Amino acid sequence: DTEVTQTPKHLVMGMTNKKSLKCEQHMGHRAMYWYKQKAKKPPELMFVYSYEKLSINESVPSRFSPECPNSSLLNLHLHALQPEDSALYLCASGTRGTEAFFGQGTRLTVV
Amino acid sequence: TQLLEQSPQFLSIQEGENLTVYCNSSSVFSSLQWYRQEPGEGPVLLVTVVTGGEVKKLKRLTFQFGDARKDSSLHITAAQPGDTGLYLCAGGNSGNTPLVFGKGTRLSVIA
Repeated sequence: DTEVTQTPKHLVMGMTNKKSLKCEQHMGHRAMYWYKQKAKKPPELMFVYSYEKLSINESVPSRFSPECPNSSLLNLHLHALQPEDSALYLCASGTRGTEAFFGQGTRLTVV
Repeated sequence: TQLLEQSPQFLSIQEGENLTVYCNSSSVFSSLQWYRQEPGEGPVLLVTVVTGGEVKKLKRLTFQFGDARKDSSLHITAAQPGDTGLYLCAGGNSGNTPLVFGKGTRLSVIA
């Protein structure tokens, strides 16, 4: 099973809303990632969790808050987002920086 | 900072033609990944190469890792409309450092 599952697939939220993106993998990977991807651009790294601990935060604004409840789950809590935060948010998991398996993404629109 | 230069950025070809996409760096990587992404979906891992000079084939796709592990190429034979998409290369290193992505090659195969 090389599947990373992300929910929801689509999300529309207002600038005062609080919402969460969810990601799940059962491949035993100990590294999990959040990426943001704008149209026609490559994925941009946001956060890296290694063994359930936040190891990299790429200077992401605090309105994005990651959480890793256990080795299979990764959440991204969203609060007070701006329209320019609209993008495809991708979760990935992998082992020791060699490769990453991506979920299908959540298409987020902030209105 | 490690960088991966991908070329060409855009490619539009007729069905049946051959093409090659390049991924170059001045840095050495321990592995190199190729992904294909369709609009609104997450990148799908096509192949991982880890040994300098390694060649891997996946049906009509041939992947090569340079001898010095600084560059890679993807060759598609007899392209089909189903090959249309964004092709991303990504370099990996040992440890928990995240992948370094190229900017991608947007391929359009016209029937």
